[in-house]
Amino acid sequence: RKEVEQDPGPFNVPEGATVAFNCTYSNSASQSFFWYRQDCRKEPKLLMSVYSSGNEDGRFTAQLNRASQYISLLIRDSKLSDSATYLCVVYTGTASKLTFGTGTRLQVTL
Amino acid sequence: GAGVSQSPSNKVTEKGKDVELRCDPISGHTALYWYRQSLGQGLEFLIYFQGNSAPDKSGLPSDRFSAERTGGSVSTLTIQRTQQEDSAVYLCASSLGQGRSTDTQYFGPGTRLTVL
Repeated sequence: RKEVEQDPGPFNVPEGATVAFNCTYSNSASQSFFWYRQDCRKEPKLLMSVYSSGNEDGRFTAQLNRASQYISLLIRDSKLSDSATYLCVVYTGTASKLTFGTGTRLQVTL
Repeated sequence: GAGVSQSPSNKVTEKGKDVELRCDPISGHTALYWYRQSLGQGLEFLIYFQGNSAPDKSGLPSDRFSAERTGGSVSTLTIQRTQQEDSAVYLCASSLGQGRSTDTQYFGPGTRLTVL
């Protein structure tokens, strides 16, 4: 089983739609959680951290369920510019590294 | 300010040759990471440097891979006797290194390595 699992998609949604991505992680000792965004042939960039209480940044909402070892990202009012691959990222505090999921691809269309 | 830079941006080499990939982290960042991303795969951790501490090499896939960081700044990833399965994008990231769980890692644009 992979340490971080995501549905690869692609998710094809029209502009203005709400879309949700899910992610599960296997290591219950994981400490910190993030969503990164990666545009085609570009480097990953931090989108937002994920906190237990849930957090929102504009149209983006992230949720964490530690009991189920599950992370989600909700995007409201999708824009064409949201088209990208969204990477679920987990930090376990060991081996000093982030563990990346393979990403979920989002394509927003007119 | 300047971000993480990597060179070359693209490298094509023949199987069996050695290659060197360079990373210049953000000035003042004490932590530096190397990852690789193969087609359709997630990012795979390779090695981590933090200040003057011994590097964490737990992700290096074989002894053909090595990396060094000189003067706590620039890092070089070396792949000896390259194989076709080494073809990937090699990404470098740096962070302030002040608290691992909350450090934001900033990635460079990557080096796309193709082994023929």
